[in-house]
Amino acid sequence: VQLLESGGGLVQPGGSRRLSCAASGFRFSDYAMTWVRQAPGKGLEWVAVISYDGSIKKYADSVKGRFTISRDNYKNTLHLQMNTLSGDDTAEYYCAKTSGGGSIWNWFDSWGQGTLVTVSS
Amino acid sequence: SYVLTQPPSVSVAPGQTARITCGGYNVGSKSVHWYQQKPGQGPVLVVYDDSDRPSGIPERFSGSKSGNTATLTISRGEAGDEADYYCQLWDNDSDHWVFGGGTKLTVL
Repeated sequence: VQLLESGGGLVQPGGSRRLSCAASGFRFSDYAMTWVRQAPGKGLEWVAVISYDGSIKKYADSVKGRFTISRDNYKNTLHLQMNTLSGDDTAEYYCAKTSGGGSIWNWFDSWGQGTLVTVSS
Repeated sequence: SYVLTQPPSVSVAPGQTARITCGGYNVGSKSVHWYQQKPGQGPVLVVYDDSDRPSGIPERFSGSKSGNTATLTISRGEAGDEADYYCQLWDNDSDHWVFGGGTKLTVL
């Protein structure tokens, strides 16, 4: 299993950013996927999860209405569209694969190395 | 919102046993998972479904639960076990994943 995040960088407050996670080594379309973030020096914070077919999406309260999780099962890629960013969104963003079954409530058995998003003027 | 409480830090002498707790409302009725994170790395699953171990995780890592507290036990602590450890569960009421605040394990 390989998960490679990309799209991080410096963003101005109020701006937008789209993160991607390229997946390989497993049948991507069979598994729910998720994003987790970690602010500098802080703990893990779950952001969003999407079912194997994209029909179910759940979001943390802190990002609901601003972030959108999506997936392309033909390109084996997970996305996170982030809008109206603020300094509180500055974090390392990790994508993770859930364990078997395709549902959103299975534990996270593989993680990427993360991509850093910094929101600052 | 649902809260999982972990001690900020735990210390253990080499060769001894470390126990990291994770408490929350009705934890006894939910499945708890544990992750290890070393500096500069992504997290790694070390225990799932309260007490099961993924392949490749040493038997020294074990999980248990009693009442509203889940515990990650690391036997025969080694320097390489120094890391942050997080518990996690799915909260059915909010349809959210929840992480504990994390515990920094130091092997002295």
